[in-house]
Amino acid sequence: GAVVSQHPSRVICKSGTSVKIECRSLDFQATTMFWYRQFPKQSLMLMATSNEGSKATYEQGVEKDKFLINHASLTLSTLTVTSAHPEDSSFYICSARTGERLYNSPLHFGNGTRLTVT
Amino acid sequence: AQKITQTQPGMFVQEKEAVTLDCTYDTSDQSYGLFWYKQPSSGEMIFLIYQGSYDEQNATEGRYSLNFQKARKSANLVISASQLGDSAMYFCAMREGRSGNTPLVFGKGTRLSVIA
Repeated sequence: GAVVSQHPSRVICKSGTSVKIECRSLDFQATTMFWYRQFPKQSLMLMATSNEGSKATYEQGVEKDKFLINHASLTLSTLTVTSAHPEDSSFYICSARTGERLYNSPLHFGNGTRLTVT
Repeated sequence: AQKITQTQPGMFVQEKEAVTLDCTYDTSDQSYGLFWYKQPSSGEMIFLIYQGSYDEQNATEGRYSLNFQKARKSANLVISASQLGDSAMYFCAMREGRSGNTPLVFGKGTRLSVIA
């Protein structure tokens, strides 16, 4: 069964509005979660590393003021796309490890959120 | 430079045949991990198999095996007895170092199509 739950799975919003995506770890605590973005027919690109109780670490080229990440608890990280524009339309997917001390532990992914900005 | 290179944008295989998906990687770390994921059209990322840099044996998980050639820095995925349900995108990924808080870096993927 799924170990990472992501919601919503699909969202359509108007340009200029904000959208919040939730990522929950099920039955385990995740001090670190990772947010990826995937454009059509492309690979997953890391956007940011979400750290519980502290600021997220953003990858180069990712606007932290546009993609707000909050990791307020050990089981929930949220990504808010602020003032969304059509170029933000993409597939956003979060992930976490069930065994953070195990370097060979795979990342478990949520089912992703397909964002369409009109 | 690309950390993970998957040179095959698309592959076709006959049902019940075996197929090899190529992956080469670039790292200066001695400790690293290599992962393969499957992404069906639904978008979910399904973990298939893991190989650690210090593992002497090639990893195997059911019909999946990893042909790990450390000197060549390659970690090819072999799928035996292909099934129609294997049709999907396949991504090779790497984690550098031994920290559990390190993200994965993905290759561009290979689209596998299994033909009946």
